[in-house]
Amino acid sequence: EPEVTQTPSHQVTQMGQEVILRCVPISNHLYFYWYRQILGQKVEFLVSFYNNEISEKSEIFDDQFSVERPDGSNFTLKIRSTKLEDSAMYFCASSEQDTDTQYFGPGTRLTVL
Amino acid sequence: DAKTTQPNSMESNEEEPVHLPCNHSTISGTDYIHWYRQLPSQGPEYVIHGLTSNVNNRMASLAIAEDRKSSTLILHRATLRDAAVYYCILRDPSGAGSYQLTFGKGTKLSVIP
Repeated sequence: EPEVTQTPSHQVTQMGQEVILRCVPISNHLYFYWYRQILGQKVEFLVSFYNNEISEKSEIFDDQFSVERPDGSNFTLKIRSTKLEDSAMYFCASSEQDTDTQYFGPGTRLTVL
Repeated sequence: DAKTTQPNSMESNEEEPVHLPCNHSTISGTDYIHWYRQLPSQGPEYVIHGLTSNVNNRMASLAIAEDRKSSTLILHRATLRDAAVYYCILRDPSGAGSYQLTFGKGTKLSVIP
């Protein structure tokens, strides 16, 4: 069964450093998403992406964040200058259509020291 | 966004049926009721969704009240693998913010062997 994959599974970085989290969505899916979950808290929507554009973003997704689909298979989330409060699990998801079921990856645990 | 209310936690014995309730008294006519679950240390996983009629799939059944102000996710025989946090999410495919899933705290289901 096709699945969303994410790398790395765990990323440790120093405050102020840039990080790139990578995702490979399911191959025929057109819509891509990032969510995050701070330890012990709710899963929060960050951004959705379609046709090489951001279609929706939350208040969390400020100028420090960016997304890109650099080639036909990868979808990345970049955090330009990490803060301690960016420490969280980051989940990538994809769907065939915008209102379809979203399929989530296993997540990347980001630890900012 | 229309809000959902779920119990914080529930317990079930293995191989017994489980009924997970969700209240959504402010649901609009175009809101679909979605259920996702999150197994420990994993990303959320789609379970089932419906609009008005009861729905069945290989994972679960969804019973929707006639007035749509509540719904119940039914796991017919709980297994240890069903221990997870279950999220009831309303989603309007036509409205603003339709791309995102808005997760609450969900119900943490424990399954006792």
